[in-house]
Amino acid sequence: GQQVMQIPQYQHVQEGEDFTTYCNSSTTLSNIQWYKQRPGGHPVFLIQLVKSGEVKKQKRLTFQFGEAKKNSSLHITATQTTDVGTYFCAGPDNTDKLIFGTGTRLQVFP
Amino acid sequence: DTGVSQDPRHKITKRGQNVTFRCDPISEHNRLYWYRQTLGQGPEFLTYFQNEAQLEKSRLLSDRFSAERPKGSFSTLEIQRTEQGDSAMYLCASSPGQSFYEQYFGPGTRLTVT
Repeated sequence: GQQVMQIPQYQHVQEGEDFTTYCNSSTTLSNIQWYKQRPGGHPVFLIQLVKSGEVKKQKRLTFQFGEAKKNSSLHITATQTTDVGTYFCAGPDNTDKLIFGTGTRLQVFP
Repeated sequence: DTGVSQDPRHKITKRGQNVTFRCDPISEHNRLYWYRQTLGQGPEFLTYFQNEAQLEKSRLLSDRFSAERPKGSFSTLEIQRTEQGDSAMYLCASSPGQSFYEQYFGPGTRLTVT
């Protein structure tokens, strides 16, 4: 079945450093979504990308969808302690349900 | 609307007992999803409904698991004869429609089987 992998699994950064997580799908995706889950919380939708090569920004967060629509990335500039959490990408499979990635857990040290 | 709600938030049960969880989605959402999440993992798909119709159930799900959404509103997830391996966070999510739409997650029910 379809698989969605993310790297790295964990990332520890000093506050102010940048952070990037990469998402790779085994199949071409019609769209990709990103979610953030704070420690002890539930996943919260961040953004959706639809077009090949699309780039979207939300303040310090930059999301990119690959040209082949099989990979995506999330880049955070100048991390803050409020960025702590696990970031998941998710894409639909051929039965129209979302398959979530393995996640990247971000820890930010002040 | 205050979002997706789940009840109970925590459940401790002994192995072999049956448990039932409830999910109340956002009222106008016709899609409802159940996921299971263990520590350090992403949400694992269990099943989903379009209104009252159960459209898909994970092949990894044993026959001990059953879900219903009788009137296309709230949903229940029942686990019969619980096993220690069932211990996990059970998440419910709803969306306005197809996978193109964002999903809104509830706070989850944490199940501990002793």
